[in-house]
Amino acid sequence: DAKTTQPPSMDCAEGRAANLPCNHSTISGNEYVYWYRQIHSQGPQYIIHGLKNNETNEMASLIITEDRKSSTLILPHATLRDTAVYYCIVRVRSETSGSRLTFGEGTQLTVNP
Amino acid sequence: NAGVMQNPRHLVRRRGQEARLRCSPMKGHSHVYWYRQLPEEGLKFMVYLQKENIIDESGMPKERFSAEFPKEGPSILRIQQVVRGDSAAYFCASSPAKNTEAFFGQGTRLTVV
Repeated sequence: DAKTTQPPSMDCAEGRAANLPCNHSTISGNEYVYWYRQIHSQGPQYIIHGLKNNETNEMASLIITEDRKSSTLILPHATLRDTAVYYCIVRVRSETSGSRLTFGEGTQLTVNP
Repeated sequence: NAGVMQNPRHLVRRRGQEARLRCSPMKGHSHVYWYRQLPEEGLKFMVYLQKENIIDESGMPKERFSAEFPKEGPSILRIQQVVRGDSAAYFCASSPAKNTEAFFGQGTRLTVV
């Protein structure tokens, strides 16, 4: 799976949009971009994933650049409960790895009142 | 629709004892993944199982650790002769198919005294 690079920490004001960047310059054509978050040592929570098109769901939006070398997770209206470590994970879907995930260090997002 | 259930949530064992961690996947999910998170460290993949089969155990320590996912009942992660270094949070995830998003349980926090 391709390596990802994320800033170690970010701050965001409550009610504002949180934009979390991720670099994955060695991504292959068949690798997907996944985002998970972990709130204070709870189990990781799936947020969103995509291949090359931008994606949106009830939690967030995922913007993937045209060359697919980077992406941005957008939380449109951050709340205090969005304070968490956010993981950007790039993985290929294969027979043996299944839905296996390789977690990096992630970005600690702190939403401030 | 219950999520991934792990029990116990907290487990204390003395050095040399056995620890058994249980994971009941979401309904309809036949793929299970175990991860370990050591204190102040990231999540590390341990093993991937499908009903009655171990698909990928590349992250499992070579000794004392084993996992199973029987035809009936929960998946079990078993740690024999626990040592202090086994103290960690153990997370289970499940997915309905091989390459779909995985959903995590709340984890079992093992403390070896």
